[in-house]
Amino acid sequence: ETGVTQSPTHLIKTRGQQVTLRCSSQSGHNTVSWYQQALGQGPQFIFQYYREEENGRGNFPPRFSGLQFPNYSSELNVNALELDDSALYLCASSLGAEAFFGQGTRLTVV
Amino acid sequence: GIQVEQSPPDLILQEGANSTLRCNFSDSVNNLQWFHQNPWGQLINLFYIPSGTKQNGRLSATTVATERYSLLYISSSQTTDSGVYFCAVEQGTGNQFYFGTGTSLTVIP
Repeated sequence: ETGVTQSPTHLIKTRGQQVTLRCSSQSGHNTVSWYQQALGQGPQFIFQYYREEENGRGNFPPRFSGLQFPNYSSELNVNALELDDSALYLCASSLGAEAFFGQGTRLTVV
Repeated sequence: GIQVEQSPPDLILQEGANSTLRCNFSDSVNNLQWFHQNPWGQLINLFYIPSGTKQNGRLSATTVATERYSLLYISSSQTTDSGVYFCAVEQGTGNQFYFGTGTSLTVIP
């Protein structure tokens, strides 16, 4: 039990649609990061939020956006979905150096 | 960005056997964690180990930061150890990890 929960666990969307994924972090964890994991690959860093401000971004286009809320929850939004966006999306939260991951949301774009 | 290589990519063990998984990284790091990903996708923290040696039951890990590698040892393997093991490194202070491609471990009874 990592104390990080994600919803939904599975999702199917159509190409061109928009999707919102949610993450609830441990209380007090002021840093949240999002990762995309394609099948057979390691997770890739999308972006990070610290105290509700974006604090770093990986090599992902602007249609990937996020929010962090004062209650330690966060969202990942993806617009104009493409087939290659099909992946496991992982959220990680941390207070210090060690990060803890949620169970992920598996997104399928058809 | 930093390159992270894990070896071997696949490993099949008989229950009770020991194994060593390796993680090489191309630059100095501030943070290194080992994770076990279960079949449902959950990444389980095994070790936070930017340097030194730690042990937790049948698992232990060693990171030699100056030589840019880390090792994960699994002793007396069990079928529940099956899954993918990831090494993740971070150069700053913000948990922006670079992951390796993982070692897929299968333990057979």
